[in-house]
Amino acid sequence: GAGVSQSPRYKVAKRGQDVALRCDPISGHVSLFWYQQALGQGPEFLTYFQNEAQLDKSGLPSDRFFAERPEGSVSTLKIQRTQQEDSAVYLCASSSRGTRREQFFGPGTRLTVL
Amino acid sequence: KQEVTQIPAALSVPEGENLVLNCSFTDSAIYNLQWFRQDPGKGLTSLLLIQSSQREQTSGRLNASLDKSSGRSTLYIAASQPGDSATYLCALCSGGGADGLTFGKGTHLIIQP
Repeated sequence: GAGVSQSPRYKVAKRGQDVALRCDPISGHVSLFWYQQALGQGPEFLTYFQNEAQLDKSGLPSDRFFAERPEGSVSTLKIQRTQQEDSAVYLCASSSRGTRREQFFGPGTRLTVL
Repeated sequence: KQEVTQIPAALSVPEGENLVLNCSFTDSAIYNLQWFRQDPGKGLTSLLLIQSSQREQTSGRLNASLDKSSGRSTLYIAASQPGDSATYLCALCSGGGADGLTFGKGTHLIIQP
């Protein structure tokens, strides 16, 4: 694949609904990251996978947020019982595990909770 | 906890000028530092990455420097063009298993034609 892809690009949910956001990393990239970006702010780290193992989930804001990467490639970020404060752009990034560890980002999913 | 500050928050300059964007951080124990640009409604594009052991990196009209002892990095843009208009973000990786990036809030740059 040419780069990191994310779907859907836009999602509107009613408060209380569950949503699932998908990330396809660059082929062969071992590490995968999720970030949340509020309007006018820099991205905030949510969680990190190395292959299928979730090594760091310290940034997840509540137990309503859950991420998985069962086969070590595609990842899904799930938000249960969405609330208005969950409205943000959700960015996914991937990197190789080499010395450089440069992160490459997808276009993001803009989530709006009404 | 690592904190990243970017100054200025916004900058507007005429085309052709050379300019410097600043990034400061509180914890010098970093693995690497990345500069990104973000266009409205888009994801992040990686511009330059500086490893902890390096002092600077160059790509075309862009030069980034890193001074860990003072907790600072600068992004130098030479001969600015209207196409350089974007938000520029500085981000640090602490390493040691904590590979998630810590970002500043960005500098919103406008280059006037």
